[in-house]
Amino acid sequence: DAKTTQPPSMDCAEGRAANLPCNHSTISGNEYVYWYRQIHSQGPQYIIHGLKNNETNEMASLIITEDRKSSTLILPHATLRDTAVYYCIVKGAGGTSYGKLTFGQGTILTVHP
Amino acid sequence: GAGVSQTPSNKVTEKGKYVELRCDPISGHTALYWYRQSLGQGPEFLIYFQGTGAADDSGLPNDRFFAVRPEGSVSTLKIQRTERGDSAVYLCASSLSGTVHNSPLHFGNGTRLTVT
Repeated sequence: DAKTTQPPSMDCAEGRAANLPCNHSTISGNEYVYWYRQIHSQGPQYIIHGLKNNETNEMASLIITEDRKSSTLILPHATLRDTAVYYCIVKGAGGTSYGKLTFGQGTILTVHP
Repeated sequence: GAGVSQTPSNKVTEKGKYVELRCDPISGHTALYWYRQSLGQGPEFLIYFQGTGAADDSGLPNDRFFAVRPEGSVSTLKIQRTERGDSAVYLCASSLSGTVHNSPLHFGNGTRLTVT
């Protein structure tokens, strides 16, 4: 599975969009980009995933560059409850399971009032 | 509906003792995972069950760690002769299937194990 690079921390004002970048320059053609987040004292929570097209759901949008070497998770209107560690993970069909994930250090997003 | 449930939420044990950690996955989820998370780090994969069988136990650190899922639902992670280095949050996750990309993991809130 390709390695990912994320900034260690980011700040965002409440009500504004939070744009969290992820670099995955060694991603291969059959690998998906997954985003999870972990709020303090809770288990990780799935947010969204994509292969090459942009994706949107009720939680967020995922923008993947055309060359697939990087992506951005967008929380359109951040709230205080979005303060969490955000993990960008690349995972393909190789190996035993799509659920065998390699979590890095993630990005600590702090949303300010 | 009910999410993944882990018990106990906290466990304090003495070095050398045996512990069992329980995970109740979401009903109908065939895939079950155990992860371990040390302070300030991301979760690390331990073991993956598809049904009753352990399909991948490559993340178990040594033979003191063992996990079972006898009926394809509830799973128990067992740690023998606990060491202080085993102190961590043990997370369980389940998914509908482990072999498709659009089957996200649903995590429990973990068991915080402290070995004194």
